Amino acid sequence: EPEVTQTPSHQVTQMGQEVILRCVPISNHLYFYWYRQILGQKVEFLVSFYNNEISEKSEIFDDQFSVERPDGSNFTLKIRSTKLEDSAMYFCASSEKRGTDTQYFGPGTRLTVL
Amino acid sequence: AQSVAQPEDQVNVAEGNPLTVKCTYSVSGNPYLFWYVQYPNRGLQFLLKYITGDNLVKGSYGFEAEFNKSQTSFHLKKPSALVSDSALYFCAVRANTGTASKLTFGTGTRLQVTL
Repeated sequence: EPEVTQTPSHQVTQMGQEVILRCVPISNHLYFYWYRQILGQKVEFLVSFYNNEISEKSEIFDDQFSVERPDGSNFTLKIRSTKLEDSAMYFCASSEKRGTDTQYFGPGTRLTVL
Repeated sequence: AQSVAQPEDQVNVAEGNPLTVKCTYSVSGNPYLFWYVQYPNRGLQFLLKYITGDNLVKGSYGFEAEFNKSQTSFHLKKPSALVSDSALYFCAVRANTGTASKLTFGTGTRLQVTL
């Protein structure tokens, strides 16, 4: 069964550094998403992406964040200057369509900012 | 704004007994409702969804959920729990509008099934 994959599984970085989290969505999916889960808290929506542009974003997704689909398979989340409060599990998801379609999630990248 | 409430942090049930994990939601218009399960060190796995039609939805691993519009609820159920069902369960809602895509999740309910 096709799966969403994410790399790395764990990333440790120093405050102020840039990080790029990578995702490979399911191959025939057209809609891509990033969510995050701070330890002990709920899963929160960050951004959705379709046709090479952001279609929806949350208040969390400020200028420090950006997303890109650099090629036909990868979908990346970049945090330009990490803060301590960016420490969280970041989940990538994809869906074939937007409407009623199911979003399938990757295993997550645990980001630790020191 | 859309929201989801999962009133129980943890549900304990004995193997073989029926289980219910509660979820209520708030959204403008008709909702799309989802249940996901998270095992330790794993991502969110899709269990089932309600879009329209029959209020009783059947999903993976013997789980089902009942949509109740008047009570704005979407409780997850299973007739006979297994120890392997022990995990963290998340209810999520998405608005039924043309541009909406984000899922809004509840805080999660930890299900503990014991022998």
